[in-house]
Amino acid sequence: GAGVSQTPSNKVTEKGKYVELRCDPISGHTALYWYRQSLGQGPEFLIYFQGTGAADDSGLPNDRFFAVRPEGSVSTLKIQRTERGDSAVYLCASTGSYSSGANVLTFGAGSRLTVL
Amino acid sequence: QKEVEQNSGPLSVPEGAIASLNCTYSDRGSQSFFWYRQYSGKSPELIMSIYSNGDKEDGRFTAQLNKASQYVSLLIRDSQPSDSATYLCAVNTASGSRLTFGEGTQLTVNP
Repeated sequence: GAGVSQTPSNKVTEKGKYVELRCDPISGHTALYWYRQSLGQGPEFLIYFQGTGAADDSGLPNDRFFAVRPEGSVSTLKIQRTERGDSAVYLCASTGSYSSGANVLTFGAGSRLTVL
Repeated sequence: QKEVEQNSGPLSVPEGAIASLNCTYSDRGSQSFFWYRQYSGKSPELIMSIYSNGDKEDGRFTAQLNKASQYVSLLIRDSQPSDSATYLCAVNTASGSRLTFGEGTQLTVNP
């Protein structure tokens, strides 16, 4: 696609429920990132994929968070047993080429998650 | 110590003035530095990247990098009300696998 597409744009759920957030990167982009942004804060790194594999998942806050990218394109961020503290905007970004020192990220519009 | 620190702001400047935004980083091995602009309710968009010590100019924007001082700044000349946004400093760690963001500085340009 022309840009990074994220769905849903807004998700309201109840505490304890399961949530999936989807990201469709720019066509041909091999690297895909998930960030989380709380109000008044900068984006916080969650996980990075190079192709199908998670190259760096050190930002995932706990084992309730999991992400997949089975075919090296679309990625899904999965959150189990949601908590009110998970409420944030979840940003996906992709980049066309990876080399140390040259990660220029293009962000999607984000998925706003609200846990009641 | 946070990996990337920015002036907390908010910063307010009159239209036509120079806005100066500052950022320091802790990883001495960092190689790439970026400034993103984020309008309220929108996602970040890249406005400048800089990789070498010195200044890099692009229109009204100038990025400055000093690796010895672990400092990067953004100057916006002839500030316009449309420049009002949050400016995020982002740094590639030495390993290069992730971009770490500061908390952002909110800039308001008053007409």
